[in-house]
Amino acid sequence: DTAVSQTPKYLVTQMGNDKSIKCEQNLGHDTMYWYKQDSKKFLKIMFSYNNKELIINETVPNRFSPKSPDKAHLNLHINSLELGDSAVYFCASSQERGQLYNEQFFGPGTRLTVL
Amino acid sequence: SQKIEQNSEALNIQEGKTATLTCNYTNYSPAYLQWYRQDPGRGPVFLLLIRENEKEKRKERLKVTFDTTLKQSLFHITASQPADSATYLCAERGGGYNKLIFGAGTRLAVHP
Repeated sequence: DTAVSQTPKYLVTQMGNDKSIKCEQNLGHDTMYWYKQDSKKFLKIMFSYNNKELIINETVPNRFSPKSPDKAHLNLHINSLELGDSAVYFCASSQERGQLYNEQFFGPGTRLTVL
Repeated sequence: SQKIEQNSEALNIQEGKTATLTCNYTNYSPAYLQWYRQDPGRGPVFLLLIRENEKEKRKERLKVTFDTTLKQSLFHITASQPADSATYLCAERGGGYNKLIFGAGTRLAVHP
């Protein structure tokens, strides 16, 4: 049983294209996240949604647009891809309601390569 | 702003020894610190959480300490095994909600 899944696992595309990454969690969590891990392996938060509402939006170019159709899904759409967008993107989820200290469950990652 | 610093050099140890990894934070004392393990090509996996009022937390062969005076957490793996080889990430909740700020991670290699 996959807890947090992402598709696709690998994405190779040309500069200027638009692409989407999908994420689904079957843990019943109410909060989902997108992280970016660059070539130096730093994992940085990009967005967070709680019950379909955007609650964290770090300094991310507005070419990146997250969308949460329901609390089990959080997709990431990227417009006009640039070389610097090449990275591994991780989706994660956690249960926030009534909790103070929450572990996050990560998906397997999507390796995006922009040529 | 808060920074989480981990030794970026790889740690090489012999099987059976205790591995000790360091996590330092630079600014305010976090309410808690979390430790994750990341294997190549995979997402991080949660290991342990320690609150600021806890000195030590254990789980099987893992032990985490939290020293607010030194602004440091230590992560120990006793009786290390080659299967423990991975990158270990330290993270703290960066103020509000559950936004985690991660360190760069320390790669551990356990040699038979």
